[in-house]
Amino acid sequence: GAVVSQHPSRVICKSGTSVKIECRSLDFQATTMFWYRQFPKQSLMLMATSNEGSKATYEQGVEKDKFLINHASLTLSTLTVTSAHPEDSSFYICSARVKRVNSMNTEAFFGQGTRLTVV
Amino acid sequence: AQSVSQHNHHVILSEAASLELGCNYSYGGTVNLFWYVQYPGQHLQLLLKYFSGDPLVKGIKGFEAEFIKSKFSFNLRKPSVQWSDTAEYFCAVYNNAGNMLTFGGGTRLMVKP
Repeated sequence: GAVVSQHPSRVICKSGTSVKIECRSLDFQATTMFWYRQFPKQSLMLMATSNEGSKATYEQGVEKDKFLINHASLTLSTLTVTSAHPEDSSFYICSARVKRVNSMNTEAFFGQGTRLTVV
Repeated sequence: AQSVSQHNHHVILSEAASLELGCNYSYGGTVNLFWYVQYPGQHLQLLLKYFSGDPLVKGIKGFEAEFIKSKFSFNLRKPSVQWSDTAEYFCAVYNNAGNMLTFGGGTRLMVKP
C-alpha cells in the first residue's frame, strides 16, 4: 500500500522558535495533502488543504501566518509552526490523497504524526 | 458546509459482543467514505472504504460497513469484537467536488476481556 512518511515524530522546541514538519508520499504522487491537528482526547481537526503548486486553503480559525504550509512538489508538503507557543503543543498529522488517473475515486493515507511540545 | 457525525463517543463492550458504530454525514453530492482506526499509541490506519458499487463493504479484521445513501449513513459493524479491537474509530467523508476530507468526532471503543 501507499506510504506516507511524516518527520519528525517528536519535537520539543522553545517558545518563539519555528518548527518544520515534513510529509512525504514515498511511492505515489499526492496532488492533495491535508494537515490535521489532534487535541488531547479529541478528534482530528482539519487545519488546511494543500494542492501541489498552489496556496493552501485554511480552515476557519487557523492562522495562515502562524501555520505555513508549502506543497512544492507532488511528494512533499511541509507545515511550519512559526513563533511557537506552548498552546501550539499538539499532535499534528498529515494525509496525502492518491489521485488515480481518469477516476474521481480517491483514498487518503496518513503519516505517523508529529508530537510537538513547546516549552 | 460538510459535516460528519459519530453519535457514540464512548462504547464499552465485552468480548464476543456485536458492534455497530454510527456515522452520518451532511453532504448531498458524491462522496467517498472511510473508516479509520487508531490503536493506542499508533497512527491512523484504514479499516475500509467505499467508493461505489456494493454498498456493503468488507474491511480488515472482520469489520464491515454499509452505505445507505437515503440515510446519509455509513455505519461500521463487527459481529464479534475482541479485546484487541480496543481503539478509537473515525469515520471520514471525502467530498470530490470540494476536495475536502472531513472526519467525525471519533468513537472510543473499549472491549473488556
